[in-house]
Amino acid sequence: DVKVTQSSRYLVKRTGEKVFLECVQDMDHENMFWYRQDPGLGLRLIYFSYDVKMKEKGDIPEGYSVSREKKERFSLILESASTNQTSMYLCASNQLSAGTDTQYFGPGTRLTVL
Amino acid sequence: GNSVTQMEGPVTLSEEAFLTINCTYTATGYPSLFWYVQYPGEGLQLLLKATKADDKGSNKGFEATYRKETTSFHLEKGSVQVSDSAVYFCALSDRDTDKLIFGTGTRLQVFP
Repeated sequence: DVKVTQSSRYLVKRTGEKVFLECVQDMDHENMFWYRQDPGLGLRLIYFSYDVKMKEKGDIPEGYSVSREKKERFSLILESASTNQTSMYLCASNQLSAGTDTQYFGPGTRLTVL
Repeated sequence: GNSVTQMEGPVTLSEEAFLTINCTYTATGYPSLFWYVQYPGEGLQLLLKATKADDKGSNKGFEATYRKETTSFHLEKGSVQVSDSAVYFCALSDRDTDKLIFGTGTRLQVFP
């Protein structure tokens, strides 16, 4: 079975802190994605990566950066956390597939910024 | 641009009732269509998918048919169970980038 793991299920940080969210997948997938999930807004794409050291902005990249140094690991970084970044963060991965492959999701990290 | 619209919830049903959750999409080209489900406290998991027009995806008693003429992918189940209570997301994929575009989600609550 495909497994996508995220470093924390719950995280509480203070405004201005630098926050790292880690995601690891074990299926040698090329694509990895970071989403945030907010009530009434569904899932919105923050960044995605289709190869090591490659990254592309999603729909809401402001205030975030990412790092992909190894194929299996994709990190989301909040350079200076703010209260409006309190949310559920979901990581996903899949094969390069012209849009046909299922994305596999991690369990999510619920981040609270105080 | 591409977008997905799904009915707002919550949808509240009694056990064994018939379920329909509507989903329509706007897309250029021929996207694949997906339904994902999120059980309480968990991440999303694929429920079913269809990759071309007239395909029917099915899983766990749920099914949805890719209707190009009406740009729809409605989710149906003949008899829901309490264990089906979850949030359901309709999504389409961009063939050029593999990105998923999600609807806002529909919460289903099934009571005994």
